[in-house]
Amino acid sequence: KQEVTQIPAALSVPEGENLVLNCSFTDSAIYNLQWFRQDPGKGLTSLLLIQSSQREQTSGRLNASLDKSSGRSTLYIAASQPGDSATYLCAVMDSSYKLIFGSGTRLLVRP
Amino acid sequence: KAGVTQTPRYLIKTRGQQVTLSCSPISGHRSVSWYQQTPGQGLQFLFEYFSETQRNKGNFPGRFSGRQFSNSRSEMNVSTLELGDSALYLCASSLAGDRSYNEQFFGPGTRLTVL
Repeated sequence: KQEVTQIPAALSVPEGENLVLNCSFTDSAIYNLQWFRQDPGKGLTSLLLIQSSQREQTSGRLNASLDKSSGRSTLYIAASQPGDSATYLCAVMDSSYKLIFGSGTRLLVRP
Repeated sequence: KAGVTQTPRYLIKTRGQQVTLSCSPISGHRSVSWYQQTPGQGLQFLFEYFSETQRNKGNFPGRFSGRQFSNSRSEMNVSTLELGDSALYLCASSLAGDRSYNEQFFGPGTRLTVL
């Protein structure tokens, strides 16, 4: 059964810092991995999708990497801003085409 | 292009009642998936509809059902509501051409409270 874990559960950093969020999954048989952000009480915003054959994807200040063989992904946020404060979720599409989510990392960027 | 819309945004029901939630996908998207989000269990997959057919299903009891219409709009129904059904219900749409590249776009959710 696919399980997705995100570490740390919460993170507080001063504005301007570069930071890394971690995601691990137990079964390497995935089709893709997607990173989302969720603001309190809101839906999910798609940030990046990495196909299983890819190693990384970039969008603006965000860079996500995927190491399928070790079951790991990282989301790198450069020059963090208070507007980046949110919960970040990673999800893998498993072999049965279901999206399995981690429990998220709650990020606070202090001005 | 308009995003995924969900109605209503908030609902309060009592135990034993039933509820219907609605989701309109992004124009051109043919797949609609439903998720339940609770503080204790996180985000869990309910089911996916494509071309008016349920294509995938999570591990939820039969009280949870759905359907999809010819215009790709989807509804989710929960019968005999229980307190534990209180949650944020999220709908996501995708193009669904190649499911291995299924970037999912989420709506704002419907917050259901069962009293």
